Amino acid sequence: GDSVTQMEGPVTLSEEAFLTINCTYTATGYPSLFWYVQYPGEGLQLLLKATKADDKGSNKGFEATYRKETTSFHLEKGSVQVSDSAVYFCALRIKGSYIPTFGRGTSLIVHP
Amino acid sequence: EPEVTQTPSHQVTQMGQEVILRCVPISNHLYFYWYRQILGQKVEFLVSFYNNEISEKSEIFDDQFSVERPDGSNFTLKIRSTKLEDSAMYFCASTLQGGDYEQYFGPGTRLTVT
Repeated sequence: GDSVTQMEGPVTLSEEAFLTINCTYTATGYPSLFWYVQYPGEGLQLLLKATKADDKGSNKGFEATYRKETTSFHLEKGSVQVSDSAVYFCALRIKGSYIPTFGRGTSLIVHP
Repeated sequence: EPEVTQTPSHQVTQMGQEVILRCVPISNHLYFYWYRQILGQKVEFLVSFYNNEISEKSEIFDDQFSVERPDGSNFTLKIRSTKLEDSAMYFCASTLQGGDYEQYFGPGTRLTVT
């Protein structure tokens, strides 16, 4: 079945460090790929998405590129801030379905 | 900005008890969802609801679970007889329409069954 695997956390970084959170997927169809973020006490929010191979999603300084050859959608940010501390979820959605398949989430902690 | 709200934020209950988790979706949204995340595991889809009926449900959503939209604003998830393994974070979501529309999630209710 369809699945998403993301790196285990927590990921702990100092402010202004470079961030990578790995995400790989397995899908029977041709999925759209998403990153969601959950800040403390809030709901999951869509951070960025990509709908086809080689698309790059970007938002708030975060980027992720849809790599069909490696079935990956790694999240990156060049310089993290304390306010980026949150849980990040990678997800996929197969065409024709409106239900996303999520990964386990990766907690990011950024220290001043 | 409109948001999905959920109450309570944390519910503790004894095994075998009934619990009702409440959600208030965004007011003009038409599709509603429940997900759960057992600690350390993936966020899993439970059920979707549209036009006052279940439109899709997962294998997890067995006879112990039910959903209801009792009035024009609330969307509830009931677990009839809770088990220890029902302990999880439960997320409600809503979307304006089905298909490719973004789902807006609530902050979740942490259910602890003792």
